[in-house]
Amino acid sequence: EAQVTQNPRYLITVTGKKLTVTCSQNMNHEYMSWYRQDPGLGLRQIYYSMNVEVTDKGDVPEGYKVSRKEKRNFPLILESPSPNQTSLYFCASSLVGGGNEQFFGPGTRLTVL
Amino acid sequence: SQQGEEDPQALSIQEGENATMNCSYKTSINNLQWYRQNSGRGLVHLILIRSNEREKHSGRLRVTLDTSKKSSSLLITASRAADTASYFCATGDQTGANNLFFGTGTRLTVIP
Repeated sequence: EAQVTQNPRYLITVTGKKLTVTCSQNMNHEYMSWYRQDPGLGLRQIYYSMNVEVTDKGDVPEGYKVSRKEKRNFPLILESPSPNQTSLYFCASSLVGGGNEQFFGPGTRLTVL
Repeated sequence: SQQGEEDPQALSIQEGENATMNCSYKTSINNLQWYRQNSGRGLVHLILIRSNEREKHSGRLRVTLDTSKKSSSLLITASRAADTASYFCATGDQTGANNLFFGTGTRLTVIP
């Protein structure tokens, strides 16, 4: 089954404790992206990647890192999480190039105390 | 920000009625897509309309695009309780990537 998976689905952590949210897709997509969703703000892009070893900032990259060492994986790293990073996070993938639908993971609900 | 806006923010209708949601955006686009999100879950792609198209249909969905007004609308006909969800428009930029800029969403409630 074609899908995007994220782990963990739920995470409660404390300020400053480094964490990684994993994202994996099995559709051989070149493009992958991370979003955060907050009430009243819709989805905002954090980082995206157009291929292995190619990453770029989205609208809200501060406080986040990503890496793309393999085509299927695109982990999101919070080196020192803060309470304002409490949010619902989505990973998505697609073929590269405009006009392609994005496939979304189920989401990771992160709470930073 | 290139983020769009949906209108209304919330819509409540009876089963069988039509639901219309509007989206306005700010910059030139390559395409516009509509996604659906059931509460707290991942988004699911519904329909895509390219910048050179004016109208598109898919089942009970009809999308229009007016690039001169920088706006789009999504019509769901003969709504069902299962259509209850949030609906987002997303505009595709004109770079070589597939970046999408999402609106703030319309929360649709269909009352059985």
